[in-house]
This record gives sequence, structure tokens and C-alpha cells, in this order.
Amino acid sequence: GNSVTQMEGPVTLSEEAFLTINCTYTATGYPSLFWYVQYPGEGLQLLLKATKADDKGSNKGFEATYRKETTSFHLEKGSVQVSDSAVYFCALNYGGATNKLIFGTGTLLAVQP
Amino acid sequence: DAGVIQSPRHEVTEMGQEVTLRCKPISGHDYLFWYRQTMMRGLELLIYFNNNVPIDDSGMPEDRFSAKMPNASFSNLKIQPSEPRDSAVYFCASSKTGRNYTFGSGTRLTVV
Repeated sequence: GNSVTQMEGPVTLSEEAFLTINCTYTATGYPSLFWYVQYPGEGLQLLLKATKADDKGSNKGFEATYRKETTSFHLEKGSVQVSDSAVYFCALNYGGATNKLIFGTGTLLAVQP
Repeated sequence: DAGVIQSPRHEVTEMGQEVTLRCKPISGHDYLFWYRQTMMRGLELLIYFNNNVPIDDSGMPEDRFSAKMPNASFSNLKIQPSEPRDSAVYFCASSKTGRNYTFGSGTRLTVV
């Protein structure tokens, strides 16, 4: 079936460090891929998305590229801030008749000053 | 826009009691989703609606759970009777296209 696998956390970084959170997916066809972020005590917010192979989603300094050949959608940021501390979820969605988001387990990021 | 509104934010109830969680989606959004989040199982899709009609309820854990969407501006999720293992954060999300979701702030349910 369709699934998303994320690297386990927590990921602990110092401020201004480089961030990578790995995400791979298993799916038939061409799903859309997403990264959501959940700050403490809040709901999930869409961070970025990509709808086809080689697309790059970007927002707030975060980037992820849809790699069909490696079935990956790794999240990166060049210089993290304390305010980036949150849980990050990778997700896929086909839309249409099977229209639902399938989430990974989430990765907790803790950025220390 | 006020976003997706969920109520209550927190609910503490005794085992065996009925629990009702409420959701108001964003106006104009045709899709509504109910998710449950726990440490052990992560985010699980319970049920989703399109144009007020339940499309997929395969994630509803058992008959104690039910969800309705009587109109485009309201949905509720009921648990009757509630059990301690139902303790979780329940999220509602809505979408216009079915791809971009907007989540509510969630209801933290504790069953004692």
C-alpha cells in the first residue's frame, strides 16, 4: 500500500546549523508530496508541497525536491533558528477517488540557541 | 477567515461517558477530515466527507465511534461509550480541492 517513512527523531541542532529530515515514500503512480509542521499545542500547517517529479517546494527557507527515481522528498534548511523547533510531517496524497493524506510518523526538531 | 474551528480545546471525561467533538470547516471547503494523533500510532485518518457525504470511514476504530456532517458548516465526532485508550488529540481538517488541507487546533481528549 501507499506509505511514508520518515527518519526518527528527535533531531537536535544548534542555531544556524544545516537541517535535513529524510522522507521516502512507497506509492504507485504519481502522488503529490507535502511537508507539514506542527508547533507545540497547535494543529498542523502546510509548509511546502510538490505535485510532480523534479518539482521543488519551498517556504520560509525550507526546501524539498520531489525525486521520483529515489522516491524521496527530503526536507532541508540551510540555517535553522530556535523558532523552527517543531514536529515535521511528510505526507502524500493522490486526490481523486482515493483523496486522503497519508502521513509519516513525524520528526521532532529541537534547535538550541 | 477564522480557519477551521474545533471545540472544545480540552475534554476530560470518565470512562463510559459519551463524548462529542465538534468542527466547523472553512466556508466553501467541500472536504472535511477527522484525524486522531497519539504518541504510539501517530496521525491516523478516521473518516472523511465530501460535500457532507462520508466517503471513507475505514479508519474509524470501532462501532463506538461515529461521525456526521449534517450540513456544510458543521461536523461532529462521537465516542460512546468512551474508554481510556481513546485518549488522544483529535484534529479536524478541511479542504477545497482535496489536496491542500487546513487543520484546526485540535481537541485534546482525556478519558479517565
